Amino acid sequence: QKEVEQDPGPLSVPEGAIVSLNCTYSNSAFQYFMWYRQYSRKGPELLMYTYSSGNKEDGRFTAQVDKSSKYISLFIRDSQPSDSATYLCAMSARAGANNLFFGTGTRLTVIP
Amino acid sequence: DGGITQSPKYLFRKEGQNVTLSCEQNLNHDAMYWYRQDPGQGLRLIYYSQIVNDFQKGDIAEGYSVSREKKESFPLTVTSAQKNPTAFYLCASRSGTGSGNTIYFGEGSWLTVV
Repeated sequence: QKEVEQDPGPLSVPEGAIVSLNCTYSNSAFQYFMWYRQYSRKGPELLMYTYSSGNKEDGRFTAQVDKSSKYISLFIRDSQPSDSATYLCAMSARAGANNLFFGTGTRLTVIP
Repeated sequence: DGGITQSPKYLFRKEGQNVTLSCEQNLNHDAMYWYRQDPGQGLRLIYYSQIVNDFQKGDIAEGYSVSREKKESFPLTVTSAQKNPTAFYLCASRSGTGSGNTIYFGEGSWLTVV
């Protein structure tokens, strides 16, 4: 079993839709959770960084962590064509860990 | 502008040849990393370095080598011993170990073995 599981998609939605991206994990020690956005042929850029359970909102993006279910989500409201990218979840057991555990990424396309 | 610069963006290598990928950062970050990204496999850690003149193997170090002679620079050499080198290589850095200090990536280098 992989440490982190992420549905690879692809996921296609119409512009303006609410998008839900998810990851599950097996290691209950994970406490730090990240979402990265990666455009085609580019490096990943950090979108959201959260600690432990709960929600964190930043503009149209909301990150949600449910440690009891070992499940994290990224919600995108009012999705735009510019949100079309691959979204990677990542996590670690401690702050500043040298090795993050990554999901394989979900490819999202927002159709105008 | 501050950031992580990787070069070259695209590189072709003949089988049996070593190749070196450059990574430079002007963020004054202490730690630097090399990841490899393959379709359907996510990112895998090759090597990392927390301070100058010190580096550690990651999960897939075989067939790779690194050096850290300067804080700003962390080049990766893909040697002929790496059996499947065609991949997208990502350099990253991190400023510290405290909460909130996570990893930031460069734009990546595409290596193709021909």
